[in-house]
Amino acid sequence: DQQVKQNSPSLSVQEGRISILNCDYTNSMFDYFLWYKKYPAEGPTFLISISSIKDKNEDGRFTVFLNKSAKHLSLHIVPSQPGDSAVYFCAARITGTASKLTFGTGTRLQVTL
Amino acid sequence: EAEVAQSPRYKITEKSQAVAFWCDPISGHATLYWYRQILGQGPELLVQFQDESVVDDSQLPKDRFSAERLKGVDSTLKIQPAELGDSAMYLCASSLFVALGDNEQFFGPGTRLTVL
Repeated sequence: DQQVKQNSPSLSVQEGRISILNCDYTNSMFDYFLWYKKYPAEGPTFLISISSIKDKNEDGRFTVFLNKSAKHLSLHIVPSQPGDSAVYFCAARITGTASKLTFGTGTRLQVTL
Repeated sequence: EAEVAQSPRYKITEKSQAVAFWCDPISGHATLYWYRQILGQGPELLVQFQDESVVDDSQLPKDRFSAERLKGVDSTLKIQPAELGDSAMYLCASSLFVALGDNEQFFGPGTRLTVL
């Protein structure tokens, strides 16, 4: 049972335009959400996160939006740059002492010139 | 900059052989995680340690996989015997222990295992 879903396996965006990556979840107990970026042959690196008490969190070019009623979050990258080309994973957790992350399957973003 | 170290980076083995992976977390990080990432999927938690104690190993195939963190610092993940379906990237991550708070996980570069 896939509790965190990223239905778009790939996305291609032109440099300078907006990239929107989507993520859906089914477990209403999730209360903290994270986005990780992964380059080939490297481990995932933390990008941005959002608590369920918020609906938006912004960090430079990256903004994450959370719609709890729809169990949906999205990552916006504006403007997109070639260095943003990577696989992006959405992850969710239930806050607690054993804060296990449940990851989505990832979306490969390609930013073209 | 502090990093999570993993070795080896790549491992090729034949099925039925034993393999072991090593992880050294960021200094001071009490929590250590082992994940498995199969191609085309997201990382899946195998085992989580808090210091030297196992907190969650519900997804660890215990008939063939074992993990230890004897002194609460570095950790070893072992597979014996390896099967074809074990081919994957094995990722180690660590985090500070913050009860009920944010505990960003920092990942190592991973060990890519190929079982022939």
